[in-house]
Amino acid sequence: GAGVSQSPSNKVTEKGKDVELRCDPISGHTALYWYRQSLGQGLEFLIYFQGNSAPDKSGLPSDRFSAERTGGSVSTLTIQRTQQEDSAVYLCASSFGRGVYEQYFGPGTRLTVT
Amino acid sequence: DAKTTQPNSMESNEEEPVHLPCNHSTISGTDYIHWYRQLPSQGPEYVIHGLTSNVNNRMASLAIAEDRKSSTLILHRATLRDAAVYYCILRDDRNYGQNFVFGPGTRLSVLP
Repeated sequence: GAGVSQSPSNKVTEKGKDVELRCDPISGHTALYWYRQSLGQGLEFLIYFQGNSAPDKSGLPSDRFSAERTGGSVSTLTIQRTQQEDSAVYLCASSFGRGVYEQYFGPGTRLTVT
Repeated sequence: DAKTTQPNSMESNEEEPVHLPCNHSTISGTDYIHWYRQLPSQGPEYVIHGLTSNVNNRMASLAIAEDRKSSTLILHRATLRDAAVYYCILRDDRNYGQNFVFGPGTRLSVLP
């Protein structure tokens, strides 16, 4: 079956521009997460959506970062006025629901801010 | 979530067993132990998880110490494809915040 997909796979943008990253979770998964991974580093949690509940935004590093999840499915992570330190791989994951269900990760979007 | 400690790197020979350790001395009674791995240029993938008893699946085995303060991920016959960063994560099933805390993990190299 289809896994988590993300687009674009690579994005190069100039400092100060806005970018949108897309995530298509596995069908039927109610939980969706965004992480970022800087070169050679572990994963950093950004935001979590669960069903129709208010998202957990506790990991967003600044107000330039925001995310939406429409219709309980597709999610978009938006970074406004990008900075060079935003360069990283942005990973999306989904899971069946609350609890200890395993997370399924997408291949990531590599963002480079020049 | 409680913290885990793993060696930065390990090496193994192909077709030999690999034992990847993880210390979690501050684990609570409701923390599950999860293992994920990340192959080069890919997102992490689930490997196995457990609470108290040892667990086996098609990918690996998870051995959990009786006091639960440590665990070991066992790959029974390492292949070149098993070269990856392995993450040991604790997850409290009462915490509906759901965010997994990924540390630096153990980078496993498999030698042919």
